[in-house]
Amino acid sequence: AQSVTQPDIHITVSEGASLELRCNYSYGATPYLFWYVQSPGQGLQLLLKYFSGDTLVQGIKGFEAEFKRSQSSFNLRKPSVHWSDAAEYFCAVGAVGGYNKLIFGAGTRLAVHP
Amino acid sequence: GAVVSQHPSWVICKSGTSVKIECRSLDFQATTMFWYRQFPKQSLMLMATSNEGSKATYEQGVEKDKFLINHASLTLSTLTVTSAHPEDSSFYICSARGPGTSGAKNIQYFGAGTRLSVL
Repeated sequence: AQSVTQPDIHITVSEGASLELRCNYSYGATPYLFWYVQSPGQGLQLLLKYFSGDTLVQGIKGFEAEFKRSQSSFNLRKPSVHWSDAAEYFCAVGAVGGYNKLIFGAGTRLAVHP
Repeated sequence: GAVVSQHPSWVICKSGTSVKIECRSLDFQATTMFWYRQFPKQSLMLMATSNEGSKATYEQGVEKDKFLINHASLTLSTLTVTSAHPEDSSFYICSARGPGTSGAKNIQYFGAGTRLSVL
């Protein structure tokens, strides 16, 4: 069965520091992978996606993610975190066929210290 | 582009009443929309998939008669929480599947969510 694991429930970084949020997936074929961000009391905003091709994908707000098939991972990175990046981050894998549902990880809550 | 509007953003109702939440795709047609429920500090739980012109498909454990979904047009889906009780209090989020083919069909655009408080 398809699943997504985000090992880190809560991460705290200092403003200006680099960031890496981990995501591992379980899927039989080449997955469609997504990172979404949710600010408190808000819906989800798409940060970036991977379908195929270049394994390093760029997203909005200075985020990037790298797809590593051998590790079944799709980690999200940012070289320098801003206070406004504090939010909940969700990794998701897209199911192929049917209604093309998204399967979400549990989320990682990012806190940024000044 | 790909904006989804959800209304209301917050609703308080008395126990036993019904509440309707609207989800609209503003600048694209969405044949498929999704309804999620999110508990505090938890991930999204898919409740149902809404398809224009047909009955919604509910996830296991979700009461169809409690959560009525209607997708009458290509830009509007509604979720009605019937006979709401305090345990139905939650954050409800809708999304619309974007246009396109292949992987693009998996992209979902989300509304801002509706916080339901049942007294």
